[in-house]
Amino acid sequence: GAVVSQHPSRVICKSGTSVKIECRSLDFQATTMFWYRQFPKQSLMLMATSNEGSKATYEQGVEKDKFLINHASLTLSTLTVTSAHPEDSSFYICSARDHKSGEQYFGPGTRLTVT
Amino acid sequence: SQELEQSPQSLIVQEGKNLTINCTSSKTLYGLYWYKQKYGEGLIFLMMLQKGGEEKSHEKITAKLDEKKQQSSLHITASQPSHAGIYLCGARLGGSARQLTFGSGTQLTVLP
Repeated sequence: GAVVSQHPSRVICKSGTSVKIECRSLDFQATTMFWYRQFPKQSLMLMATSNEGSKATYEQGVEKDKFLINHASLTLSTLTVTSAHPEDSSFYICSARDHKSGEQYFGPGTRLTVT
Repeated sequence: SQELEQSPQSLIVQEGKNLTINCTSSKTLYGLYWYKQKYGEGLIFLMMLQKGGEEKSHEKITAKLDEKKQQSSLHITASQPSHAGIYLCGARLGGSARQLTFGSGTQLTVLP
């Protein structure tokens, strides 16, 4: 089946620094990728939709200058959390939509801890 | 309010008991997905329903999509500790939606 990878799986960074999370579709092309955030005991909340070759679309309440998204190729999207704060600590999950089938596949997630 | 409502929010059952989790939408569902997750881990795809009235089973888990395509239920028969986790329903709300919107989740605990 289709595989989506995320790197890193866990990251700890200091407050004020930036951290980049990569999302790759390994065996299919994804013109659209999605970034979700999940807090403990809560559901997944869509942060933004990443479109290959164009600007990302952010959900209401998500700061686009803080969560920079780049979708430079059909298999890679990156989320950069800039000037991270402890409240940004969360589980971030990416999802890639198969260009051909339209199905959405999820990565294993990245746990970000900001100290 | 959330567009996809799940109930109950949490459930504690004794091993061997049956249970049902519901997912209700305020909009017509175009593809309803059920996932299982442990927090801090990825989503495990369980099954996908598309047609009203559709029912699918996998091992001891059965999911149904009602005729009007606005509600789905997930039923677990003879629950086991391995069934414990967070169950999430996801759907594309509206015909043009590309992304999955998720329900609030149901935390299931199975007591041995």
